[in-house]
Amino acid sequence: LAKTTQPISMDSYEGQEVNITCSHNNIATNDYITWYQQFPSQGPRFIIQGYKTKVTNEVASLFIPADRKSSTLSLPRVSLSDTAVYYCLVGESTTNAGKSTFGDGTTLTVKP
Amino acid sequence: GAGVSQSPSNKVTEKGKDVELRCDPISGHTALYWYRQSLGQGLEFLIYFQGNSAPDKSGLPSDRFSAERTGGSVSTLTIQRTQQEDSAVYLCASSLDGMNTEAFFGQGTRLTVV
Repeated sequence: LAKTTQPISMDSYEGQEVNITCSHNNIATNDYITWYQQFPSQGPRFIIQGYKTKVTNEVASLFIPADRKSSTLSLPRVSLSDTAVYYCLVGESTTNAGKSTFGDGTTLTVKP
Repeated sequence: GAGVSQSPSNKVTEKGKDVELRCDPISGHTALYWYRQSLGQGLEFLIYFQGNSAPDKSGLPSDRFSAERTGGSVSTLTIQRTQQEDSAVYLCASSLDGMNTEAFFGQGTRLTVV
């Protein structure tokens, strides 16, 4: 399974755009990139998934360059409730974590 | 129920004892997953059940860990002769039909081995 590397933590302020980058140099041809959000004392929640280029949904955007060795999760106009841990996963599952093992994630703290 | 339910929510046990953790998946979901999350770390895959197929046990860390799923619904994760390093949050998730459908997680069981 491809190993992922993310920043340990990030701080932001309400209303700002936040970009979290994940490196996955060993991504395989069949692998998808999936991002999860986890609040304290809760299980992870699916945010967005992509294979290449750009994907956008009502929550976030995901940018994937042509070489697919990294990806960037973009959260527009964050609010205090976006404070959470964000995990980047790489694997063959298109929608869920499946048999992937999560990395340490990025702890995002949104300040007023 | 409406979501994935896990019990107990917290469990404290003495080193060397066996524990059983229960997961009730969303009704109708054929796939069920167990993960372990140690303090401050990401999730570690343990085992995957899909329908009536043999479970994928590739993530179980030792033979002290086992899991079963009765009637394609409720699952029990058993840890025998618990060790302090087994202390973690154990999360269960279910999805409608395998790995290509969204998985929903329960709140987890926090296991503390003293």
